Amino acid sequence: AQTVTQSQPEMSVQEAETVTLSCTYDTSESDYYLFWYKQPPSRQMILVIRQEAYKQQNATENRFSVNFQKAAKSFSLKISDSQLGDAAMYFCAYRNLLNSNSGYALNFGKGTSLLVTP
Amino acid sequence: SQTIHQWPATLVQPVGSPLSLECTVEGTSNPNLYWYRQAAGRGLQLLFYSVGIGQISSEVPQNLSASRPQDRQFILSSKKLLLSDSGFYLCAWSLGAVNQPQHFGDGTRLSIL
Repeated sequence: AQTVTQSQPEMSVQEAETVTLSCTYDTSESDYYLFWYKQPPSRQMILVIRQEAYKQQNATENRFSVNFQKAAKSFSLKISDSQLGDAAMYFCAYRNLLNSNSGYALNFGKGTSLLVTP
Repeated sequence: SQTIHQWPATLVQPVGSPLSLECTVEGTSNPNLYWYRQAAGRGLQLLFYSVGIGQISSEVPQNLSASRPQDRQFILSSKKLLLSDSGFYLCAWSLGAVNQPQHFGDGTRLSIL
C-alpha cells in the first residue's frame, strides 16, 4: 500500500512570510494524483491544491504552489504571503489511478500543524 | 452546486450503545461516497467507501458498518460502541473520475463514555 509521510508535525511562520510544508510518498506506480487539504479549527477539510503526476508543471493556486519532484517522490506545499487565516492542519494525500476498486480513495499523511504569528 | 450534509455535529454516547451517523449529498448523482475517521493527532483513516447504491467496501475490520440505501445517502452504524470508536468522523464524496477531488462534510465529533 502507498504511504504518505509528512515529517513536520508542526511549523510556524510569521504573517506575510513564506513557508514550505514537506510531503513524501511511496509508490511503484507512474501515474497518480496528489492533493493538499487544509483543516482549520472548524475541522472542515478544504481542498487547497492538486497535482497530476504526469504533468511536469507545478500546480499553483493563488498564494499556494507545490514543488513536485517525481523522481524523489516529493510533493511540498509553499504558502506565500502567509495570512492569519492560513493557520490550520495541512494534509498531503495520494490517489492511485489503478485503485478504481477502492473508489479512488485517498491515502493521507498524518498532517502538519501550521501556526501563523502576527 | 453540490453540497454535503453530515449530522450530528457532536455526539456523546455510552459504551455499548448503538450508533447512526448520516451523510447526504445534493446536486450530483451517483457519487462515490466515503467514511473516514480521524483520531486525535493523526491523519484520516478510510473506513468505508461506496461506488453505488448497496455497494459497500470496508477497509478496516471493526465493529462499524456502513450502508447506502439511496444514491446520495451514506450511513455509518454500530450495534455496540467501544471506547476506541471515539474520534472525528468525516463523510466525503467525489465524482467517479480519478482526477476528481474529494469534498468533505463538516464532520461528527463522537465521544464514547
